[in-house]
Amino acid sequence: AQSVAQPEDQVNVAEGNPLTVKCTYSVSGNPYLFWYVQYPNRGLQFLLKYITGDNLVKGSYGFEAEFNKSQTSFHLKKPSALVSDSALYFCAVRDDGGANNLFFGTGTRLTVIP
Amino acid sequence: DAGVIQSPRHEVTEMGQEVTLRCKPISGHNSLFWYRQTMMRGLELLIYFNNNVPIDDSGMPEDRFSAKMPNASFSTLKIQPSEPRDSAVYFCASSPDRGNTGELFFGEGSRLTVL
Repeated sequence: AQSVAQPEDQVNVAEGNPLTVKCTYSVSGNPYLFWYVQYPNRGLQFLLKYITGDNLVKGSYGFEAEFNKSQTSFHLKKPSALVSDSALYFCAVRDDGGANNLFFGTGTRLTVIP
Repeated sequence: DAGVIQSPRHEVTEMGQEVTLRCKPISGHNSLFWYRQTMMRGLELLIYFNNNVPIDDSGMPEDRFSAKMPNASFSTLKIQPSEPRDSAVYFCASSPDRGNTGELFFGEGSRLTVL
């Protein structure tokens, strides 16, 4: 069975500081991992994904994420936070076994403080 | 491209009434997904279609919910009769490749309130 855990409901960071939003996962096969962002009253937008290859994945808006197989983690990071990064962030996973269902975490609300 | 288009954006109805939510996927996308988002349960997949055929409807809560995709450019999610616990934001998403790469394109959502 697939599952995703986002241990923090809320993350606060000062503008200009680095940010990390945590995600751990569980799948039966090889994981396909994703990050999505949701701004208020909007749908989710794709940020980045890990399918295979380099463990460090770069995505939109300067975000990146590191796949760590031994820790089953896929934390989202950005070197310098912007106030406009404030949003709800979702980690998602599916396995490579053919099922097309993306399983989403419960989301982490990021607030960047000016 | 206009993106995934959902209507209505907001719907307020009374318990027992029928609700129909509509979705127009991005042209050329062959997979369509319906999700429900609530504070308590987060984002849940209700059903998804590939080439207009329902592939997995195991997330549909109960018989009051039904979804159709009569053609490649239109899908509906119907709730009949509606109940207060159905209040949520319903998202439609489409993908060009069965969602294999995980790149789903979401609509703006339909916020449903059942009184």
